[in-house]
Amino acid sequence: DVQLVESGGGLVKPGGSLRLSCAASGFTFSRFTMHWVRQAPGKGLEWVSSIGSSSSSISYADSLKGRFTISRDNAKNSLYLQMSNLRAEDTAVYYCARDRGNGDFGPWGQGTLVTVSS
Amino acid sequence: SYVVTQPPSVSVAPGQTARITCGGNNIGSKVVHWYQQKPGQAPVLVVYDDSDRPSGIPERFSGSNSGNTATLTISRVEAGDEAEYYCQVWHSTDHPVFGGGTKVTVL
Repeated sequence: DVQLVESGGGLVKPGGSLRLSCAASGFTFSRFTMHWVRQAPGKGLEWVSSIGSSSSSISYADSLKGRFTISRDNAKNSLYLQMSNLRAEDTAVYYCARDRGNGDFGPWGQGTLVTVSS
Repeated sequence: SYVVTQPPSVSVAPGQTARITCGGNNIGSKVVHWYQQKPGQAPVLVVYDDSDRPSGIPERFSGSNSGNTATLTISRVEAGDEAEYYCQVWHSTDHPVFGGGTKVTVL
């Protein structure tokens, strides 16, 4: 089965950093574009970042203003999101998702909760 | 940036048809995808490329897209269809955009 499992979430103070991971299995990870999407408590989905299969294409939501860095390790079937200078408004469940090939996302991981609070 | 607008909520009786709209400027020229999210769960793709269904998604779920409105239609609604539904398009080649979500309540 195709599976994505996020980890690395937790409680962090404002201004702190956190690195999220997404472990992929059940498919050839190196062939797929991957995405991070977040969802603040009680709110809708917000796209965060995307990375192409070979890491040659990377994009971020404008609102992040350079604080987040997406990366991947195809040898380890893993996707990462390095988050720095975290703010209270970054509090959310962070999902990784596979791009199915036409900009549609599936499957999604179960999500990892990031809470930014003093 | 490109904005897509969804109604906050739709209510429907069991067995009836629910229609969820996703509005955007000339959205008919874009490809629209739809996701279902139940409480405490990750989103699940239910319609892609305007009107196609992934394997495992019931035929009761269908989609259309024309002009300034894309529509997700759920026929013969069941209690298990109660969820939040999100549309998604690509504003440019590297920026996907999600609608604000529509909560479907089965009466």
